[in-house]
Amino acid sequence: EPEVTQTPSHQVTQMGQEVILRCVPISNHLYFYWYRQILGQKVEFLVSFYNNEISEKSEIFDDQFSVERPDGSNFTLKIRSTKLEDSAMYFCASSAPSDRVPYEQYFGPGTRLTVT
Amino acid sequence: AQSVTQPDIHITVSEGASLELRCNYSYGATPYLFWYVQSPGQGLQLLLKYFSGDTLVQGIKGFEAEFKRSQSSFNLRKPSVHWSDAAEYFCAVGARGGGNKLTFGTGTQLKVEL
Repeated sequence: EPEVTQTPSHQVTQMGQEVILRCVPISNHLYFYWYRQILGQKVEFLVSFYNNEISEKSEIFDDQFSVERPDGSNFTLKIRSTKLEDSAMYFCASSAPSDRVPYEQYFGPGTRLTVT
Repeated sequence: AQSVTQPDIHITVSEGASLELRCNYSYGATPYLFWYVQSPGQGLQLLLKYFSGDTLVQGIKGFEAEFKRSQSSFNLRKPSVHWSDAAEYFCAVGARGGGNKLTFGTGTQLKVEL
């Protein structure tokens, strides 16, 4: 069964450093998403991406964040200068369009980002 | 703005007992509704979804949920809980159109006593 994969599973970085989180969505999917979950809190939407552009972003997704689909398979989230409060589990998701199920989102296992 | 409330933070049930997890949503139109399950250290697995039509939807692992428009609810049920059902359960509402973002509730942690 196809699945969303994410690398690395755990990333430790120092405050102020740039990090790139990588995702490989399900191959025939066209919509891509990033969510995050701070420890003990709910899952929060960051950004959605379709047709090589951002379709929606949350207030969390400020200028420090960017997304990219550099090739036909990867979808990345970059944090330019990490802060302590960026420590969280980051989930990638993807979905395929259809008339009946516009966006049943499938999630990857997550990347745990720890900023020290 | 859309929102989801899961009033129960923790629930403990005995194995074999029935289960109901509550979910209330706020959305201006007919929503898309989902239940996801998260086991420790794992990602989010889709249990079931409601888009339209029959208000009682069946999902994986023997779960079902009922959409009640009048109560703005989408409660998750299972007739007989198994020890492997211990996990965190998230209800989510999705907007129709736009960026298709999901808005999640705070989750309900389910503990199963043997």
